[in-house]
Amino acid sequence: EAGVAQSPRYKIIEKRQSVAFWCNPISGHATLYWYQQILGQGPKLLIQFQNNGVVDDSQLPKDRFSAERLKGVDSTLKIQPAKLEDSAVYLCASSLDRWSSYEQYFGPGTRLTVT
Amino acid sequence: AQSVSQHNHHVILSEAASLELGCNYSYGGTVNLFWYVQYPGQHLQLLLKYFSGDPLVKGIKGFEAEFIKSKFSFNLRKPSVQWSDTAEYFCAVVTTSGTYKYIFGTGTRLKVLA
Repeated sequence: EAGVAQSPRYKIIEKRQSVAFWCNPISGHATLYWYQQILGQGPKLLIQFQNNGVVDDSQLPKDRFSAERLKGVDSTLKIQPAKLEDSAVYLCASSLDRWSSYEQYFGPGTRLTVT
Repeated sequence: AQSVSQHNHHVILSEAASLELGCNYSYGGTVNLFWYVQYPGQHLQLLLKYFSGDPLVKGIKGFEAEFIKSKFSFNLRKPSVQWSDTAEYFCAVVTTSGTYKYIFGTGTRLKVLA
C-alpha cells in the first residue's frame, strides 16, 4: 500500500512570498489533515477534510492560509503572504474516516524556511 | 480548551533500562488516546492506541501504555529499551464527539545509549 505523498520536501522562500504544498493521501482514505509542526513542538492541526468538505479549520490563520481538497482526493495548502513565524514542517495525514478510533497515516512532511 | 502535556522533553537512557514517558490530558469527556513515534528520518507512525476495554494496551516493539481515567493519564512504558528505540514520541488525544480533533503533546525526545 502506497503511503501519503507530499511535495515538495523542502522549500525556502522570502517573507511576503507565497508557497503551496501538495498532498496525496492513501487511496480510499476519506479524511485528510494538515498539521503545522514548529521546531520543538507537537503537530498542530490546521485543517481537517472529510472527503472534499471542511470539518474543522478553527486553527487555520485564514488571513494568509488556504487549503482545498478538490474531488475529495489530493489537497493543497497555500500560504500567501508568508511570515517568518510560518517556518515549520507541514505534515499531511490521512485516515479511513474521521471517527476517532482510526489511526492517522502521516506523510514525510514539507520543511518550510521563511527568510 | 483540550490540551495534552508531556512532561519529559528529553530523556537519555542506557540500553536495557526501563522507560516510562508521561502523558496527561485535560478534557472532561470521553477520549481516545494514541502514542505515535518518529524515528530519525522517518514519518510519524502509530505505536499504540486505546479507545475502550482493557486500560493496559500493548503496541509494537514491546511498548505498552496504561490509561488511568481518574488521573487523565496515558503513560508509555517499555521494560527494557534498545538503541533502536531512539526517537521522538508523541502522545495524542482525540475527543469522541464533535469534530474528532486530534491534539498532540509537545513530544519527548528519547536517546538510548548503546
